[in-house]
Amino acid sequence: EVQLVESGGGSVQPGGSLRLSCAASGSTVSNNYMSWVRQAPGKGLEWVSLIYSGDNTYYADSVKGRFTISRHNSKNMLYLQMNSLGTEDTAVYYCASTSGWETAMTWGQGTLVIVSS
Amino acid sequence: QAVVTQEPSLTVSPGGTVTLTCGSSTGTVTSGHYPYWFQQKPGQAPRTLIYDTSNKHSWTPARFSGSLLGGKAALTLSGAQPEDEAEYYCLLSYSGSRPYVFGTGTKVTVL
Repeated sequence: EVQLVESGGGSVQPGGSLRLSCAASGSTVSNNYMSWVRQAPGKGLEWVSLIYSGDNTYYADSVKGRFTISRHNSKNMLYLQMNSLGTEDTAVYYCASTSGWETAMTWGQGTLVIVSS
Repeated sequence: QAVVTQEPSLTVSPGGTVTLTCGSSTGTVTSGHYPYWFQQKPGQAPRTLIYDTSNKHSWTPARFSGSLLGGKAALTLSGAQPEDEAEYYCLLSYSGSRPYVFGTGTKVTVL
C-alpha cells in the first residue's frame, strides 16, 4: 500500500516562498494521480493541485500562477513550490495519491504552513 | 465553477441510521463524478471511507455504505457508534480545469 510523508512546512512571511515535499513508498508517483490538498485552521478541505499522466497539471484558482506542482520520478517525490504566499495560504497541506479517478485515495499526515509577519 | 454542498451538521443516536448527502451546483451527481467520502477526526488526516460511489476501503466498517440518491451522492451510516463522531467530506471529480471539488463537510454527532 502507498505511504506518503510530507515535509517542508514551516513559518514564512507574507510574500515569501516555500517548497513542500511528499515522499512516496509502496507505489510510484509517476503512475499515480498525485494531489495537494489543504485545510486552513478550523476550515474544510480544499483541493489545491493535481499532476498525472506525464505533465498534466491543474490548479485551484486561488493558487494559479503562484504555486507549481512537480514530481521527481527517480526519487519518487512530489513537490509543491509555493510563491507569493499570503496569510490566506496558512493551512495544513496534505499530499494525496490515487491510481485513477475511480480508485481509493491515500493521504499523508500533512505539514503545517504558517504565513505571518 | 462547481460548488459541492453537504449538510453542515447531523446528529444520530447510538445504533441509529443517518444519511449524508453531497450535491453539485452543476446538476445531478452521477457515477461519472466518481464520488469519494472521507472521514476526518480532530487532529488527524482524512481517510478514505468510500470511493467510486460505493466501493469500500479495506478499513471501512460494514455499517458505512455509499450510493446515489435523489441526484446526489449519499453516505449512509447504519448502526452508529460513538467512534463515528467526525467530520465527513465528499469529493467529486469534474472534467475541465478544476478536476476535484470537495464538499463543504458534515459534522456528525453521535448522541
